[in-house]
This record gives sequence, C-alpha cells and structure tokens, in this order.
Amino acid sequence: DTAVSQTPKYLVTQMGNDKSIKCEQNLGHDTMYWYKQDSKKFLKIMFSYNNKELIINETVPNRFSPKSPDKAHLNLHINSLELGDSAVYFCASSQDGTSEYYNEQFFGPGTRLTVL
Amino acid sequence: AQSVTQPDIHITVSEGASLELRCNYSYGATPYLFWYVQSPGQGLQLLLKYFSGDTLVQGIKGFEAEFKRSQSSFNLRKPSVHWSDAAEYFCAVGAYYGGATNKLIFGTGTLLAVQP
Repeated sequence: DTAVSQTPKYLVTQMGNDKSIKCEQNLGHDTMYWYKQDSKKFLKIMFSYNNKELIINETVPNRFSPKSPDKAHLNLHINSLELGDSAVYFCASSQDGTSEYYNEQFFGPGTRLTVL
Repeated sequence: AQSVTQPDIHITVSEGASLELRCNYSYGATPYLFWYVQSPGQGLQLLLKYFSGDTLVQGIKGFEAEFKRSQSSFNLRKPSVHWSDAAEYFCAVGAYYGGATNKLIFGTGTLLAVQP
C-alpha cells in the first residue's frame, strides 16, 4: 500500500546507455513530478505532469524524456547517459498541481542512478 | 525570484542539547513552507508544514517550526536532540510557477551531526 513507489531503487550503468526509471502513485493524484538530487544533495524539480500532460520542463536536456501513460504513472527515460547524470531521482505526486493554491507533494523513496 | 536559504551547511550538537536550524525564504505571495529530513541513503520524510494559521507548527519526532513573516524565516527547532536525529534537513517553499503549476523549491540542506 505504498503511496508513491519507484523502481528500481538502485541503477548502475555505463556511460552512453539508455535507462528508464518508473514511478507509480496510488493516491489518485492528478499531478506528478520528477526531482533530481545531485551529488551535493541539492534538490531541484525537473518535470511536472498534470493528467498526462507536460506542464513544466525545468531546462532539462533533451536526453531526458518523461512519459506518462496514465495519471498514476510517470516514467523517466534517459538516453545516452553521462557521468553528470549520476544522482538520486525522486518522483512525487500531488492533487491538482495546476492550482494556485499549493497542494502538498508526496515523495517516492528515490532511485539512485550511478553512471560509470 | 523564489529562493530558500539555509545558512548553515553543517551543524554539530551534543545529544540532549537543543537545536535550531535556520531557513529564510524569498517568495512574493503567501508561502507554503516545509521541512524535510533525509537520513543517509534514504528518501525524504516530511517533518512539518506551514500553510496558514498558527505560526508555530508542530511536527513529527518532537520537531517544531515557527513562521515569521517579518523575517521571512521558518526555523526548525527541537528542545532535546537524539542521536537518531543525525541526518540532512531541507527547508522548502511551495511555489506557484509561471501561472501553470506548483513546484517545491528546496534549500541546500543542513547536515546535522549529533555527538554522544
């Protein structure tokens, strides 16, 4: 009965590979997000999706392509992985993230990506 | 621009001592404020949040925070620290971005070490 789940928890891969991280929420939320936590622990939003539609792309390279097959899932596909992509990626969800009244975001456990 | 500042990168306290972690924010509208804790290798756990109302908010694990609008601050406090409180602490503000979506803006974090 995990609210926001991510798979895998750890991902180790070589430079140049393509990989995906999956996220699922069972909270019935409309909006899902991806955040990146870099090696200095700095957390920053990457994407926001509302009802399967991309709302914001926070200057993320084109190698990152989020896909939302339905509003309960938001996957992150990364092409041509680079060393600098090593980070912890957090998925989150909230009720109507397009509202000007902020709705609390609930986070997944994170996926630690290591690019060798 | 919206921003969150945590002036203390690293704090060490003795077990049983009191704790205050500082957070200052910059946000034009009514802020939605959060404190998260991240234990080593773990995900983000919400400690407490401020949306409106009483400016002193209580959270889990004996933490509290006080919202001071005049100082643009939301400092986290605990009267007596336990060794298990050693972790990274993040302050965040919930922002309404570009008239389109919510996002969380995080501070750079404060690493708390607890001495026996």
